Amino acid sequence: QLTQSPSSLSASVGDRVTITCRASRDISTFLAWYQQKPGEAPKPLIYAASSLQSGVPSRFSGSGSGTDFTLTISSLQPEDFATYYCQQLNLYPRIFGGGTKVEIK
Amino acid sequence: QLQLQESGPGLVKPSETLSLNCSVSGGSITTYYWSWIRQPPGGELEWIGYVYRTGSTTYNPSLKSRVTISIDTSKNQFSLELRSVTAADTAVYYCARDYSDSRGYYYFDSWGQGTLVTVSS
Repeated sequence: QLTQSPSSLSASVGDRVTITCRASRDISTFLAWYQQKPGEAPKPLIYAASSLQSGVPSRFSGSGSGTDFTLTISSLQPEDFATYYCQQLNLYPRIFGGGTKVEIK
Repeated sequence: QLQLQESGPGLVKPSETLSLNCSVSGGSITTYYWSWIRQPPGGELEWIGYVYRTGSTTYNPSLKSRVTISIDTSKNQFSLELRSVTAADTAVYYCARDYSDSRGYYYFDSWGQGTLVTVSS
């Protein structure tokens, strides 16, 4: 099980945003983060807990290992308003977290 | 650039079988694993299962009794069958590549656009 928090948040452009994901078991660093906008497929941002997917802006970063992980957006941009999901890829099934919706304040 | 495209009926009757295909272009389906994921309207993502080029599969236990995922390497496509569907199976269905980097870390690096399947009589 993966528990994301918060389930939603309101923030302003330029804010630093942190989303957390907690696993019920040790998954080492086998965690990915995705961004999803309405009507679109999820887009990978981070894999291996902290590796930035090619083409993703450097304002996105990931950290953590074991059971506790974070996704940080250092300076929120207008195009970052979306829903973010974590996913564990160490165990089966390859479950996703419940999502965090980032809304405009 | 790798592209995935789902295809199949958008409406399925209750108790019948949902069948979808995922066509892969811009790369070979004989490498990596290939997954199906679904998302109910306004809901969360759920991994359904994956298939490897050999036909080997792993399924989500919550759906295992009703799911078959198969692969056709000659057509560079893979397929999903979900039997005995109910309204709870109404969702956007995505196919995706389960990519592994040189260190053995997996993630879903390429996704289809998704196709909405509605279960209704």
